[in-house]
Amino acid sequence: EPEVTQTPSHQVTQMGQEVILRCVPISNHLYFYWYRQILGQKVEFLVSFYNNEISEKSEIFDDQFSVERPDGSNFTLKIRSTKLEDSAMYFCASRPRKNIQYFGAGTRLSVL
Amino acid sequence: TQLLEQSPQFLSIQEGENLTVYCNSSSVFSSLQWYRQEPGEGPVLLVTVVTGGEVKKLKRLTFQFGDARKDSSLHITAAQPGDTGLYLCAGGGGSEKLVFGKGTKLTVNP
Repeated sequence: EPEVTQTPSHQVTQMGQEVILRCVPISNHLYFYWYRQILGQKVEFLVSFYNNEISEKSEIFDDQFSVERPDGSNFTLKIRSTKLEDSAMYFCASRPRKNIQYFGAGTRLSVL
Repeated sequence: TQLLEQSPQFLSIQEGENLTVYCNSSSVFSSLQWYRQEPGEGPVLLVTVVTGGEVKKLKRLTFQFGDARKDSSLHITAAQPGDTGLYLCAGGGGSEKLVFGKGTKLTVNP
Protein backbone atom coordinates (compact mmCIF):
# COMPACT_ATOMS: atom_id res chain seq x y z
CA GLU A 1 0.00 0.00 0.00
CA PRO A 2 1.40 3.43 -0.94
CA GLU A 3 2.67 5.48 1.98
CA VAL A 4 4.22 8.82 2.81
CA THR A 5 7.94 8.38 3.48
CA GLN A 6 9.99 10.69 5.66
CA THR A 7 13.74 10.90 6.15
CA PRO A 8 15.65 10.96 8.38
CA SER A 9 13.71 9.32 11.19
CA HIS A 10 15.79 11.20 13.74
CA GLN A 11 17.82 14.39 13.21
CA VAL A 12 20.06 15.84 15.88
CA THR A 13 21.41 19.35 15.33
CA GLN A 14 23.03 22.22 17.16
CA MET A 15 21.09 25.40 17.86
CA GLY A 16 21.52 27.88 15.01
CA GLN A 17 22.17 25.22 12.37
CA GLU A 18 20.02 24.72 9.28
CA VAL A 19 18.11 21.48 8.86
CA ILE A 20 16.19 20.03 5.93
CA LEU A 21 13.52 17.45 6.56
CA ARG A 22 12.53 15.34 3.59
CA CYS A 23 9.28 13.76 2.55
CA VAL A 24 8.16 11.67 -0.40
CA PRO A 25 4.36 12.01 -0.62
CA ILE A 26 2.10 9.36 -2.14
CA SER A 27 2.68 9.56 -5.88
CA ASN A 28 -0.71 10.67 -7.22
CA HIS A 29 -1.39 13.18 -4.44
CA LEU A 30 -1.34 16.88 -5.20
CA TYR A 31 -1.71 18.53 -1.78
CA PHE A 32 1.11 18.40 0.76
CA TYR A 33 1.39 19.42 4.38
CA TRP A 34 3.77 19.75 7.28
CA TYR A 35 2.66 19.41 10.89
CA ARG A 36 4.64 19.26 14.09
CA GLN A 37 4.05 17.69 17.48
CA ILE A 38 6.01 18.89 20.48
CA LEU A 39 6.38 16.11 23.06
CA GLY A 40 3.16 15.69 25.02
CA GLN A 41 1.26 18.27 22.97
CA LYS A 42 -1.21 18.36 20.10
CA VAL A 43 -0.33 17.85 16.47
CA GLU A 44 -0.15 21.40 15.03
CA PHE A 45 -0.51 22.53 11.43
CA LEU A 46 2.46 24.34 9.92
CA VAL A 47 1.88 24.74 6.19
CA SER A 48 0.01 23.44 3.17
CA PHE A 49 1.37 23.39 -0.38
CA TYR A 50 -0.36 23.00 -3.71
CA ASN A 51 0.58 23.71 -7.29
CA ASN A 52 4.11 24.69 -6.29
CA GLU A 53 3.10 27.33 -3.81
CA ILE A 54 2.07 27.71 -0.20
CA SER A 55 -1.72 27.73 0.10
CA GLU A 56 -1.94 28.27 3.85
CA LYS A 57 0.46 28.66 6.77
CA SER A 58 0.13 28.97 10.52
CA GLU A 59 1.66 31.61 12.76
CA ILE A 60 4.28 29.04 13.73
CA PHE A 61 5.57 29.03 10.15
CA ASP A 62 7.64 32.20 10.31
CA ASP A 63 10.55 33.41 8.17
CA GLN A 64 12.82 30.71 9.57
CA PHE A 65 10.75 28.04 7.81
CA SER A 66 10.47 27.32 4.12
CA VAL A 67 9.09 24.51 1.98
CA GLU A 68 10.04 23.34 -1.45
CA ARG A 69 9.14 20.69 -3.97
CA PRO A 70 12.46 20.50 -5.81
CA ASP A 71 11.42 17.68 -8.17
CA GLY A 72 8.38 15.57 -8.94
CA SER A 73 8.64 13.42 -5.83
CA ASN A 74 10.26 15.18 -2.87
CA PHE A 75 8.73 17.76 -0.53
CA THR A 76 11.09 19.41 1.95
CA LEU A 77 10.83 21.54 5.06
CA LYS A 78 13.82 23.75 5.84
CA ILE A 79 14.46 25.44 9.15
CA ARG A 80 17.11 28.09 8.61
CA SER A 81 18.44 28.62 12.10
CA THR A 82 17.12 26.10 14.57
CA LYS A 83 16.09 27.01 18.10
CA LEU A 84 15.70 24.77 21.11
CA GLU A 85 11.92 25.13 20.89
CA ASP A 86 11.96 23.67 17.36
CA SER A 87 12.58 20.25 18.92
CA ALA A 88 9.54 18.16 17.98
CA MET A 89 8.23 15.42 15.74
CA TYR A 90 7.63 16.77 12.25
CA PHE A 91 5.03 15.01 10.14
CA CYS A 92 4.51 15.28 6.42
CA ALA A 93 1.08 14.51 5.00
CA SER A 94 -0.47 14.34 1.57
CA ARG A 95 -3.98 14.01 0.25
CA PRO A 96 -5.74 12.84 -2.88
CA ARG A 97 -8.94 14.76 -2.21
CA LYS A 98 -10.53 16.96 0.39
CA ASN A 99 -10.50 16.02 4.07
CA ILE A 100 -8.40 12.85 3.91
CA GLN A 101 -4.76 13.34 4.79
CA TYR A 102 -2.25 10.54 5.04
CA PHE A 103 0.69 11.00 7.37
CA GLY A 104 4.26 9.82 7.30
CA ALA A 105 5.99 8.24 10.28
CA GLY A 106 7.65 11.54 11.16
CA THR A 107 11.11 12.94 11.76
CA ARG A 108 12.15 13.51 15.33
CA LEU A 109 14.16 16.74 15.43
CA SER A 110 16.34 17.27 18.48
CA VAL A 111 17.98 20.70 18.80
CA LEU A 112 20.81 20.80 21.32
CA THR B 1 -9.86 29.67 16.72
CA GLN B 2 -11.20 26.17 16.24
CA LEU B 3 -10.51 23.79 19.11
CA LEU B 4 -11.23 20.12 19.60
CA GLU B 5 -11.47 18.73 23.12
CA GLN B 6 -11.10 15.01 23.62
CA SER B 7 -12.21 13.08 26.67
CA PRO B 8 -11.18 11.21 28.58
CA GLN B 9 -7.50 12.04 28.26
CA PHE B 10 -6.49 8.63 29.67
CA LEU B 11 -8.48 5.40 29.79
CA SER B 12 -7.37 2.06 31.21
CA ILE B 13 -9.74 -0.87 30.90
CA GLN B 14 -9.78 -4.65 30.96
CA GLU B 15 -9.93 -6.81 27.85
CA GLY B 16 -13.52 -7.41 26.79
CA GLU B 17 -14.92 -4.14 28.11
CA ASN B 18 -16.64 -1.55 25.97
CA LEU B 19 -15.57 2.10 25.86
CA THR B 20 -16.48 5.42 24.28
CA VAL B 21 -14.16 8.31 23.51
CA TYR B 22 -15.52 11.78 22.85
CA CYS B 23 -14.39 14.66 20.65
CA ASN B 24 -16.17 17.99 21.16
CA SER B 25 -15.99 21.50 19.78
CA SER B 26 -17.98 24.71 19.77
CA SER B 27 -17.13 25.04 16.06
CA VAL B 28 -18.70 23.33 13.09
CA PHE B 29 -16.40 21.12 11.03
CA SER B 30 -17.00 19.97 7.47
CA SER B 31 -15.42 16.63 8.36
CA LEU B 32 -13.95 14.72 11.26
CA GLN B 33 -11.14 12.25 11.00
CA TRP B 34 -10.11 9.71 13.60
CA TYR B 35 -6.50 8.63 13.71
CA ARG B 36 -4.56 6.19 15.82
CA GLN B 37 -0.98 7.01 16.74
CA GLU B 38 1.64 4.66 18.17
CA PRO B 39 4.61 6.06 20.14
CA GLY B 40 7.23 7.55 17.82
CA GLU B 41 5.08 7.13 14.72
CA GLY B 42 2.73 9.21 12.62
CA PRO B 43 -1.07 9.26 12.89
CA VAL B 44 -2.75 6.44 10.94
CA LEU B 45 -6.15 7.25 9.49
CA LEU B 46 -9.02 5.11 10.79
CA VAL B 47 -12.07 6.83 9.35
CA THR B 48 -13.48 10.08 7.97
CA VAL B 49 -17.05 11.24 8.69
CA VAL B 50 -18.52 14.12 6.72
CA THR B 51 -22.32 14.11 7.14
CA GLY B 52 -24.08 15.20 10.33
CA GLY B 53 -25.47 12.14 12.10
CA GLU B 54 -23.27 9.79 10.09
CA VAL B 55 -22.29 6.46 11.67
CA LYS B 56 -19.43 4.35 10.35
CA LYS B 57 -18.34 0.94 11.56
CA LEU B 58 -14.85 -0.54 11.29
CA LYS B 59 -15.03 -4.06 12.77
CA ARG B 60 -15.43 -3.45 16.54
CA LEU B 61 -15.08 0.35 16.21
CA THR B 62 -18.11 2.58 15.67
CA PHE B 63 -17.68 6.23 14.78
CA GLN B 64 -20.43 8.82 14.94
CA PHE B 65 -20.54 12.42 13.75
CA GLY B 66 -22.92 14.67 15.65
CA ASP B 67 -25.98 16.07 13.90
CA ALA B 68 -24.59 19.61 14.18
CA ARG B 69 -21.12 18.49 13.02
CA LYS B 70 -19.52 19.83 16.20
CA ASP B 71 -18.77 16.56 17.94
CA SER B 72 -17.90 12.94 17.32
CA SER B 73 -17.53 9.75 19.28
CA LEU B 74 -15.61 6.53 18.93
CA HIS B 75 -17.06 3.43 20.55
CA ILE B 76 -15.03 0.23 20.85
CA THR B 77 -16.82 -3.02 21.63
CA ALA B 78 -15.07 -5.84 23.46
CA ALA B 79 -11.71 -4.06 23.58
CA GLN B 80 -8.56 -6.10 23.01
CA PRO B 81 -4.94 -5.41 24.04
CA GLY B 82 -4.20 -4.68 20.37
CA ASP B 83 -6.50 -1.65 20.62
CA THR B 84 -4.02 0.02 22.96
CA GLY B 85 -2.81 3.33 21.55
CA LEU B 86 -3.43 7.06 21.26
CA TYR B 87 -6.67 7.95 19.48
CA LEU B 88 -6.78 11.38 17.87
CA CYS B 89 -9.68 13.24 16.36
CA ALA B 90 -8.98 15.92 13.76
CA GLY B 91 -11.41 18.38 12.23
CA GLY B 92 -11.39 19.74 8.72
CA GLY B 93 -12.99 23.10 8.05
CA GLY B 94 -13.07 25.33 5.06
CA SER B 95 -9.31 25.72 5.01
CA GLU B 96 -6.57 23.22 4.23
CA LYS B 97 -5.45 22.45 7.74
CA LEU B 98 -6.59 19.76 10.14
CA VAL B 99 -7.19 20.81 13.75
CA PHE B 100 -6.25 18.04 16.16
CA GLY B 101 -7.42 17.19 19.64
CA LYS B 102 -4.87 16.19 22.29
CA GLY B 103 -5.91 12.58 22.06
CA THR B 104 -7.15 9.79 24.31
CA LYS B 105 -4.49 7.37 25.48
CA LEU B 106 -6.17 3.97 25.72
CA THR B 107 -4.66 1.01 27.56
CA VAL B 108 -6.39 -2.35 27.34
CA ASN B 109 -5.09 -4.78 29.93
CA PRO B 110 -5.16 -8.54 29.24
